[in-house]
Amino acid sequence: KQEVTQIPAALSVPEGENLVLNCSFTDSAIYNLQWFRQDPGKGLTSLLLIQSSQREQTSGRLNASLDKSSGRSTLYIAASQPGDSATYLCAVLILTGGGNKLTFGTGTQLKVEL
Amino acid sequence: NAGVTQTPKFRVLKTGQSMTLLCAQDMNHEYMYWYRQDPGMGLRLIHYSVGEGTTAKGEVPDGYNVSRLKKQNFLLGLESAAPSQTSVYFCASSRGTEAFFGQGTRLTVV
Repeated sequence: KQEVTQIPAALSVPEGENLVLNCSFTDSAIYNLQWFRQDPGKGLTSLLLIQSSQREQTSGRLNASLDKSSGRSTLYIAASQPGDSATYLCAVLILTGGGNKLTFGTGTQLKVEL
Repeated sequence: NAGVTQTPKFRVLKTGQSMTLLCAQDMNHEYMYWYRQDPGMGLRLIHYSVGEGTTAKGEVPDGYNVSRLKKQNFLLGLESAAPSQTSVYFCASSRGTEAFFGQGTRLTVV
């Protein structure tokens, strides 16, 4: 059974810091990995998607890397801002005979302080 | 551009009542999913569908039923609500790779 772990569970940083969020998964036979952002009381917004054949993806101040063989992904946020405060979730997609399944980590709650 | 729309957004049920949550997507996606999100437990898959007329059980299917009569709609039913089903429910759709989520339904069972 695929298990996804995110460390740390919560993080508080001053504005302007660069930071790294970690995601690990137990089964390396993934199709892709997706990072989401969730604001309090809201739905999930897709940030970056990395295919299993890729090493990293970038969007603005965000950079996600994937090391499939070791079962790890990191989300790097450069020059953090208070508006980055949210919960960040990673999810891995595996293909099965019964259909594609997306398994989530429990998230990292980020607070960027002025 | 609606994407994935869930109705209702909020609901309070009494124990034993039934209800149906509706998820609609306008992206012609084959895959649709229902998740529940609980504090400290992340999102857990309840049921999913790989196409019109098909459904399958996820990680926590007990107490829920689903139907996918039309490709764009995926319904989640609670036949006899229990307090343990108090949660935030999310629907998602996908063409098989990237997933898109609705805004969630906050359900309280008293």
